[in-house]
Parts: sequence; C-alpha cells; structure tokens
Amino acid sequence: DVKVTQSSRYLVKRTGEKVFLECVQDMDHENMFWYRQDPGLGLRLIYFSYDVKMKEKGDIPEGYSVSREKKERFSLILESASTNQTSMYLCASSPRPVGTYEQYFGPGTRLTVT
Amino acid sequence: AQKVTQAQTEISVVEKEDVTLDCVYETRDTTYYLFWYKQPPSGELVFLIRRNSFDEQNEISGRYSWNFQKSTSSFNFTITASQVVDSAVYFCALVLYNQGGKLIFGQGTELSVKP
Repeated sequence: DVKVTQSSRYLVKRTGEKVFLECVQDMDHENMFWYRQDPGLGLRLIYFSYDVKMKEKGDIPEGYSVSREKKERFSLILESASTNQTSMYLCASSPRPVGTYEQYFGPGTRLTVT
Repeated sequence: AQKVTQAQTEISVVEKEDVTLDCVYETRDTTYYLFWYKQPPSGELVFLIRRNSFDEQNEISGRYSWNFQKSTSSFNFTITASQVVDSAVYFCALVLYNQGGKLIFGQGTELSVKP
C-alpha cells in the first residue's frame, strides 16, 4: 500500500514562529503536493514538486515555501506563521505523468496559529 | 475558466436511501481527467475513481456508480442503499494538463447517513 505520512496530526504555534510541516512517501513517487483545506473552499494547492530540488507555485503560495532535498520528502515551511494560516494541511504524492494517476494523500496536519 | 462546482454543501439521508452527489466542471481542455475522493472523519482523502475525457462509459463498483456526461460537463456519483459508513465529505476534482497537471477540487459535499 502507498503510504504518505505527515509529521504531526495536530500542531499549535504562535504568530511569527517559523513552522515546518514534513511529508514522507514510501512509493518512490516523483510528484508531491501540499494543499490546504478550509471549510467551503475545498482543497487549494500551495506548492508542488515534480522532482528533487524542483518546485512549482500553486494557487496560494504566499507566506509559504517548500523544500525537496530527497525524493521521498517534501517539506512545507511557514516563514512567519499568521492566524490566517490556521488550517488543515494535506500532503499528497503521485507517480508520473502528473495528472494521469490519482494522488495519494496523507492524514493531514491541523495547524492552529494563535 | 477551469472550475469544479459541487452545489450540494450538505446532504443528509437515512440509511438504505440512494443518494446522488453532483459535480459540474468547466474546462476548455479536450484532454482531462476527473476524480472522486472520499474524506471520512479521520481526515485522509481516499481515492474512489478516475475517468478520462475520452471515456464516457458509466462505471459501477458495488454500491457506487458514476455517470459521466460530457454534453452537460457533469460527473455525478451515486451511492445505492447508503450506509452509515458512507458518511464523509466527498470531493470531485479535475486535472488540467495545460497547467502542469494541477488538481482543481470542488468545494466538497458533506454526506451524513443516519441509522
């Protein structure tokens, strides 16, 4: 079974803190994605990566950055957390080519910024 | 504009009822894929089905069936004889090939099946 794991299920951080959300997949997938999920808005793409050290902006990249130093790991970084970044964060992976195959999702990290 | 609309925000049914979840999409692409995902209370999205734009055959998998109609840009999902375990949020999504294969999700439909 494809396994996508995220470092935390719940996280509480203070405004201004630097926050790291980690995602690891064990199926040698080339593509990895970070989404945030908010009520009434569905899932919105923050960043994605087609390969190691490659990254592409999604629909809402402002306030976020990413890092992909190894194929299996994709990190989302909130440089200076703000209360409007309180949300559920979902990581996903898929094999190439992008779009042809379904994405496999992790369990999500519910981040609260106070 | 590329868009997925799930007009039903919440649906509540009683166990054993049939229920249809609507999905309408917009795209100018001729080649695309449509997906349905289920998100149970545990939070993890579970893949249900993938359909490409050239295959309009309906599909049935157990109590689940999908109706894809390009003429109306719809990809509806029906659960027959619903069960409490079907309670979840269901998302319809569209893949855009001319934008690097990004998934565009609908807003989701929360289905509640009561015993």
